[in-house]
Amino acid sequence: QKEVEQNSGPLSVPEGAIASLNCTYSDRVSQSFFWYRQYSGKSPELIMSIYSNGDKEDGRFTAQLNKASQYVSLLIRDSQPSDSATYLCAVNDQKGNKLVFGAGTILRVKS
Amino acid sequence: GAVVSQHPSWVICKSGTSVKIECRSLDFQATTMFWYRQFPKQSLMLMATSNEGSKATYEQGVEKDKFLINHASLTLSTLTVTSAHPEDSSFYICSARVGLAGSYNEQFFGPGTRLTVL
Repeated sequence: QKEVEQNSGPLSVPEGAIASLNCTYSDRVSQSFFWYRQYSGKSPELIMSIYSNGDKEDGRFTAQLNKASQYVSLLIRDSQPSDSATYLCAVNDQKGNKLVFGAGTILRVKS
Repeated sequence: GAVVSQHPSWVICKSGTSVKIECRSLDFQATTMFWYRQFPKQSLMLMATSNEGSKATYEQGVEKDKFLINHASLTLSTLTVTSAHPEDSSFYICSARVGLAGSYNEQFFGPGTRLTVL
C-alpha cells in the first residue's frame, strides 16, 4: 500500500462547479497535511495546509481533514480554467522530517 | 509567503560534464532544504535532505557520489550533478522548510532547474 494515495484522474469539471480532490494516507501518526498545485512544467506551489480535524477555508479553497479515517480532501469552489493543474497531497512522515507526496490528481476545468 | 530561488532555471550540457544548481531561501533561514527530481509526467521523487552544516541524507537508490549536495549556510544549498549523462536529464527542484522538524513542516519550492544532457 502506498503511503499517500490519490486518484490520478483526470478529474473534469465544468467552469463554476465544485472540484473535489481526495487523498488517503497510511501513517496514523502524521500531523501535518498539505495541498500543492503544480502547473505543467512548473514547480509545486503550496496552496493549503491543515493540521487539525475539520475544515479550513481560504478563499475558494477548503481543506478537510479526518484523522480517524486517514483522509484529507481539497474542495475548490467556483472552479476556473486557471485551476487546471495537478494537485499534490503531501503528508509529513513519522519523524516529521520530510514530506511524503502522492502521485497527484490532474484537474481539468472546462469553460 | 516564503520565497525560494533556484539558479540556473535551465541548463544544457555535454555528457561527462558537471553541473551545479543553487537553491536559495530569500526571506528566511532554512536549516533544512530538500532536493527533488521529476521526470516528465511522473511524480516528485525526493533525492536527499540537506541540513545546514552537516552531510546530506540521501534516499535509497540515489548515488551520493554522483549528486553532491552542500548546505554551507542557512540560505544556500547546492546540488552538483557530476559526470552528467543523458539519463540524468530531468527537472530538479529544491524546497526549503520553514522552521524545525516536527509537526509543522511547510516546504516552499524553488522554480526548478531543467537539465538537459546531450
